[in-house]
Amino acid sequence: DAMVIQNPRYQVTQFGKPVTLSCSQTLNHNVMYWYQQKSSQAPKLLFHYYDKDFNNEADTPDNFQSRRPNTSFCFLDIRSPGLGDAAMYLCATSRDKGMNTEAFFGQGTRLTVV
Amino acid sequence: GNSVTQMEGPVTLSEEAFLTINCTYTATGYPSLFWYVQYPGEGLQLLLKATKADDKGSNKGFEATYRKETTSFHLEKGSVQVSDSAVYFCALSGTNAGNMLTFGGGTRLMVKP
Repeated sequence: DAMVIQNPRYQVTQFGKPVTLSCSQTLNHNVMYWYQQKSSQAPKLLFHYYDKDFNNEADTPDNFQSRRPNTSFCFLDIRSPGLGDAAMYLCATSRDKGMNTEAFFGQGTRLTVV
Repeated sequence: GNSVTQMEGPVTLSEEAFLTINCTYTATGYPSLFWYVQYPGEGLQLLLKATKADDKGSNKGFEATYRKETTSFHLEKGSVQVSDSAVYFCALSGTNAGNMLTFGGGTRLMVKP
């Protein structure tokens, strides 16, 4: 059974039109992450939540925002998508932030900007 | 800061060949080390991990040993299958704030029948 679920799998949006990607988890994990992955490059961490505590990476553009209304759900909002934002967006969770904690990834949402 | 370096791909092998994908890391302290696999169009799945020096992680015929002296975590498999074709990511976590995974650039493996 899927434990980290991302919807939709594929999203097409227009240049400059706000878009929201969603992630849900059935693991009851404290930490949720959003990664951006381009063209089979290494995933790049955008931000993460530890419970309700939001942590933004220093180089994450202001165009990217996130919400976590409850433990199970986390959203990635792109306020004004540009062509350079086309990528695979990966959601992940971990039980805690300890060193040995495994991260569980969703299947990803592939975003196309037209 | 932390960093992970992997051999560049693609790596193309025939079925039943021996696989090695090199991974070296730079980190302070004693990070945990991971190999993740990404099949086409999918998210990342944990393949194996090791949490301290000389630990060997293993899963599905894949192995990797945490070598502190050479700061390496090379992935090996004795006999690859076509179904192993995927992108493999070496990663580390720990030693800095939180459990942030630092990924290598990924190595694409293509196995031909």
